[in-house]
Amino acid sequence: DVKVTQSSRYLVKRTGEKVFLECVQDMDHENMFWYRQDPGLGLRLIYFSYDVKMKEKGDIPEGYSVSREKKERFSLILESASTNQTSMYLCASSRDGRETDTQYFGPGTRLTVL
Amino acid sequence: GQNIDQPTEMTATEGAIVQINCTYQTSGFNGLFWYQQHAGEAPTFLSYNVLDGLEEKGRFSSFLSRSKGYSYLLLKELQMKDSASYLCAVLDSNYQLIWGAGTKLIIKP
Repeated sequence: DVKVTQSSRYLVKRTGEKVFLECVQDMDHENMFWYRQDPGLGLRLIYFSYDVKMKEKGDIPEGYSVSREKKERFSLILESASTNQTSMYLCASSRDGRETDTQYFGPGTRLTVL
Repeated sequence: GQNIDQPTEMTATEGAIVQINCTYQTSGFNGLFWYQQHAGEAPTFLSYNVLDGLEEKGRFSSFLSRSKGYSYLLLKELQMKDSASYLCAVLDSNYQLIWGAGTKLIIKP
């Protein structure tokens, strides 16, 4: 079974704080993704990575950065959290360079920025 | 622009059949996914269609018509545990997944 884990299920931070969200997958997947999910909107891609040290911007990268130093780990960083970044953050991974492969999701981190 | 449309919410009765529709307008097409997401949990993969027609998997079936930009997910013999959101997503020409907002399915006894 593919397992994708995220460092926290619930997180509360204050405006201006630096926030780290960590994601780890145990299936040696090449691809990893960070999404945010808001009510009434579809999943929106923030950043993705096809390989170690490689990153690509998704649809809404502003205010975020990422790091992929090891194949199994993909971190999302909010340099200076703002209230409009309150959301559910979902990490996903998939097997190879063809995105036709299924994405497996972590349990999500519900971030509240006060 | 790219667009995926699906109903916001549907209600059905335990034991019945329900069809959740998804229409899409995307730049290119490399397949369509359906995911199930229970409240507070991660989406889980249900099906992938890239060719026209019906794919059946137990109580769940997924249909695709590429010429119409249309898909549906058919759930038979509904159970209470099928109460969830169902997400439609299309892989565009750049192999980017475009997600619909999801359909919340409520099952009543």
